[in-house]
Amino acid sequence: DAGVIQSPRHEVTEMGQEVTLRCKPISGHNSLFWYRQTMMRGLELLIYFNNNVPIDDSGMPEDRFSAKMPNASFSTLKIQPSEPRDSAVYFCASSPGTSGRLNTGELFFGEGSRLTVL
Amino acid sequence: AQSVTQLDSQVPVFEEAPVELRCNYSSSVSVYLFWYVQYPNQGLQLLLKYLSGSTLVKGINGFEAEFNKSQTSFHLRKPSVHISDTAEYFCAVILQGGKLIFGQGTELSVKP
Repeated sequence: DAGVIQSPRHEVTEMGQEVTLRCKPISGHNSLFWYRQTMMRGLELLIYFNNNVPIDDSGMPEDRFSAKMPNASFSTLKIQPSEPRDSAVYFCASSPGTSGRLNTGELFFGEGSRLTVL
Repeated sequence: AQSVTQLDSQVPVFEEAPVELRCNYSSSVSVYLFWYVQYPNQGLQLLLKYLSGSTLVKGINGFEAEFNKSQTSFHLRKPSVHISDTAEYFCAVILQGGKLIFGQGTELSVKP
């Protein structure tokens, strides 16, 4: 079975450009998470969705960051405009959590999108 | 205050030696605790979890962890490590509302 699929795997862009990261969760999973990983800050939760609805976006660093989940099989994380400090590995993860119930914590991660902003 | 703290950023160990990776959690959070492993250039994988029941939890690849409520700890152990266990290990906890929060990670380096 296919796991969580992220694209692109690597992205190098210049400061000020728009960046869009994409994620396809595991079919049947109804929770989706976006994390950012850096050496300095470790793994930070940016936002998560349950049944396509954003539940908590308190980790989104600035208005330059936005995330959408238009349907159960697709999510995007957009940075506009990008800055060098956004350079990181961005992970998408999905979970078979049940709507309205506590997330069981079993997340399935994609391989990440490594973003470099020059 | 940190919800989950990993006490060691790096743990070097020789092959076939035992290892313990330490994790402490804030008593104000739920006691749903997890260990994840991240191999180089990959995403994280669940090693084991504690939701309720027996305080000794067994996971994949021979790892186990013990939930200790009085010490608010959830240390990860393996009696004999292999070179292939070299990776970064993350302790995690669920906060109210379903957020899964990770510790800073412990880099386990197994040497021959």
